[in-house]
Amino acid sequence: DAGVIQSPRHEVTEMGQEVTLRCKPISGHDYLFWYRQTMMRGLELLIYFNNNVPIDDSGMPEDRFSAKMPNASFSTLKIQPSEPRDSAVYFCASRIGSQGAFFGQGTRLTVV
Amino acid sequence: AQSVTQPDIHITVSEGASLELRCNYSYGATPYLFWYVQSPGQGLQLLLKYFSGDTLVQGIKGFEAEFKRSQSSFNLRKPSVHWSDAAEYFCAVVPNTGGFKTIFGAGTRLFVKA
Repeated sequence: DAGVIQSPRHEVTEMGQEVTLRCKPISGHDYLFWYRQTMMRGLELLIYFNNNVPIDDSGMPEDRFSAKMPNASFSTLKIQPSEPRDSAVYFCASRIGSQGAFFGQGTRLTVV
Repeated sequence: AQSVTQPDIHITVSEGASLELRCNYSYGATPYLFWYVQSPGQGLQLLLKYFSGDTLVQGIKGFEAEFKRSQSSFNLRKPSVHWSDAAEYFCAVVPNTGGFKTIFGAGTRLFVKA
């Protein structure tokens, strides 16, 4: 398996634009997580899914953020409209049950 | 409150010296415990995990961790550090009482000096 795949690796966008981050989890994993990492706030859990169903989205900072998982092999995190304070590295991770999580390489988002 | 604490923001050790990174958790029951490593520009990689049984667990890259229930600790150790071990290390828990989300500590950045 190629591991968790995220795209794009880097995204630079202007304030107000819509941004969509994509994630392909490892096949067979039933949990999927979206994290955001910044120097100031560290690693923050935004939302996670179990069997494609959102379980806890309490970490989503604002209504501008939304996440979907239409099937077991794909998830998106959307920011609309984007703001400079959304600049961060966004990680997707997947795992089986309560086993250790596997992380993607991350998407570095810069909003100017 | 439920929490994962890594008391050391950063640690510097000499190459070849031993290493211990501290982790304490606060949960009603013993959660599942993990250590991850993150190299610059990379995602997190799982080093080792503890679910039950033997309290000393072995991981990849020569790391080990010891679970101590009485101290609510899960410290990471390595007998001899290599320069390539310089990275950020995260302790994490998965509560075994429902929810099952992974909760991370703030991380400890390891610097290795020649």
